[in-house]
Amino acid sequence: QQQVKQSPQSLIVQKGGISIINCAYENTAFDYFPWYQQFPGKGPALLIAIRPDVSEKKEGRFTISFNKSAKQFSLHIMDSQPGDSATYFCAATPYSGAGSYQLTFGKGTKLSVIP
Amino acid sequence: SQTIHQWPATLVQPVGSPLSLECTVEGTSNPNLYWYRQAAGRGLQLLFYSVGIGQISSEVPQNLSASRPQDRQFILSSKKLLLSDSGFYLCAWSTGELFFGEGSRLTVL
Repeated sequence: QQQVKQSPQSLIVQKGGISIINCAYENTAFDYFPWYQQFPGKGPALLIAIRPDVSEKKEGRFTISFNKSAKQFSLHIMDSQPGDSATYFCAATPYSGAGSYQLTFGKGTKLSVIP
Repeated sequence: SQTIHQWPATLVQPVGSPLSLECTVEGTSNPNLYWYRQAAGRGLQLLFYSVGIGQISSEVPQNLSASRPQDRQFILSSKKLLLSDSGFYLCAWSTGELFFGEGSRLTVL
């Protein structure tokens, strides 16, 4: 029940295309859903996050779509660029107050954007 | 602004040797601190977390240990490394959202 299932494991997209990564969860107590971007040899960096009171959040070319009834959320990268090539992790947690939660991570998606 | 420092960045150690990885956070007080491990091509595994000085919770039983001697300092240790301890170790902190350090690459030979 604590799992977050992420797909696909790897993704190849042409420059300018749309990259879509999906995640699904079972725990209905999950209340905060961040996405992290990790470049090789670096720590993951927080990219964008959403709470279930909204169905979509957009920041630049990155959009999270959230479907509470289906217990699914996804990351869309519009106009994908070679610089977006990285591993992306979705995560979820019951937000139990400032700094007091532990995230459950998906297994990651390796995105390659080809010119 | 808050920053997190983690060292050493890379480490090659023989089996059976000790380990000490250190992490410090600047620009915040009383953060929650975390140690994660990332095996090659795999996801993030939470090893330890701490909500305060001297308070350590272990998520995965193994030959690693963690300590928090000061509010913004978190140390990962081992008395005797195993081959299976090889991986990318990440320190992280939160007072709300979770932020990671740059990681320490450990190779045990």
